[in-house]
Amino acid sequence: NAGVMQNPRHLVRRRGQEARLRCSPMKGHSHVYWYRQLPEEGLKFMVYLQKENIIDESGMPKERFSAEFPKEGPSILRIQQVVRGDSAAYFCASSLTVASTDTQYFGPGTRLTVL
Amino acid sequence: ILNVEQSPQSLHVQEGDSTNFTCSFPSSNFYALHWYRWETAKSPEALFVMTLNGDEKKKGRISATLNTKEGYSYLYIKGSQPEDSATYLCASNFGNEKLTFGTGTRLTIIP
Repeated sequence: NAGVMQNPRHLVRRRGQEARLRCSPMKGHSHVYWYRQLPEEGLKFMVYLQKENIIDESGMPKERFSAEFPKEGPSILRIQQVVRGDSAAYFCASSLTVASTDTQYFGPGTRLTVL
Repeated sequence: ILNVEQSPQSLHVQEGDSTNFTCSFPSSNFYALHWYRWETAKSPEALFVMTLNGDEKKKGRISATLNTKEGYSYLYIKGSQPEDSATYLCASNFGNEKLTFGTGTRLTIIP
């Protein structure tokens, strides 16, 4: 049973370009979470999605960032017109249920570097 | 603001010694406490999920305790081995689905 998959593992973009980060949850999991780790900081929640719905995006910057989790295919975190401050590691997690006692299983992350 | 604090920030331990570190969290609105083990360039690996005051969980040489009234959890490693070198993260849910993480304790085992 494959774990949470993320791709690409490393992504380099120039300022102003778009970044697309993909996350395939564990088989059978319909709850997906995105977290960001800025340099020298801890993991910070960005957004929580269920299939085709954004449930909680309270941690997502209001501009340039969007997320989706379509009925078919992976969850996508999209960053438009990237700036140097977007350079970070972006982690996706998935869970079987939304219960606070349920484990969130993490992927290996995508390291975004903005030149 | 609901903060999760971890101490110490880093720790060097001789192989074979036992060690422990702390996770502190606000006791109000507490739902669950999660511990993860995170090796460089890998995915954070779930260790424990704890909810009840006085709860104790064990996985091999690693164990954890929880005090929800005073807002802390301890992680213990008995007889440290080089493969225990990692960053140990704790995170809490405060009444919703999102995890609030501490900044981690970076453990290095000295052979």
